[in-house]
Amino acid sequence: DVKVTQSSRYLVKRTGEKVFLECVQDMDHENMFWYRQDPGLGLRLIYFSYDVKMKEKGDIPEGYSVSREKKERFSLILESASTNQTSMYLCASSLPPRASERETQYFGPGTRLLVL
Amino acid sequence: AQKVTQAQTEISVVEKEDVTLDCVYETRDTTYYLFWYKQPPSGELVFLIRRNSFDEQNEISGRYSWNFQKSTSSFNFTITASQVVDSAVYFCALNTGFQKLVFGTGTRLLVSP
Repeated sequence: DVKVTQSSRYLVKRTGEKVFLECVQDMDHENMFWYRQDPGLGLRLIYFSYDVKMKEKGDIPEGYSVSREKKERFSLILESASTNQTSMYLCASSLPPRASERETQYFGPGTRLLVL
Repeated sequence: AQKVTQAQTEISVVEKEDVTLDCVYETRDTTYYLFWYKQPPSGELVFLIRRNSFDEQNEISGRYSWNFQKSTSSFNFTITASQVVDSAVYFCALNTGFQKLVFGTGTRLLVSP
């Protein structure tokens, strides 16, 4: 069964803090993604990764960085959290391009982050 | 540019009614994939269906059915005999091959007893 987990369901942080959001998948997927979800805007891609130590900017990378040291783990980092980063963050993973059903992304439960 | 439009922000129905969620997409690619995801109150996005651009056959899975029409760039989702457990936000999404999904803004479905 597909399984993507995220380290926290809810987080409250203060402006200026460094924030780490962790995502782990146990499906041996090569591709991993970070999205943020805001009312009326749907899901927007922040960063994605095709492989260990590889990363690509998505549509809204400003204010974020990522780390992928191991295949199963993809971390989203807010270097200095700001109130406009209060949002729902969703992690996803998918199979590599050579696999069938490769385009399907599987999502974790999400982390609701509140920055005060 | 790729774009997905879900014009219905919120739909309210009474249990056992049929309901259709609309999805209109834009892309210049000839090969692409369309998806529907369900997001219940718990927050996790649950994959419902994947359809590629070369397969216009409609699909039925239990009470769920999907109508894909390339001529109108639409990929609509119908729930037959809705139930309270169907209450969720539903997202339509488009993938044009670079492993990135473009999402619509979602439709919130409220099914009351």
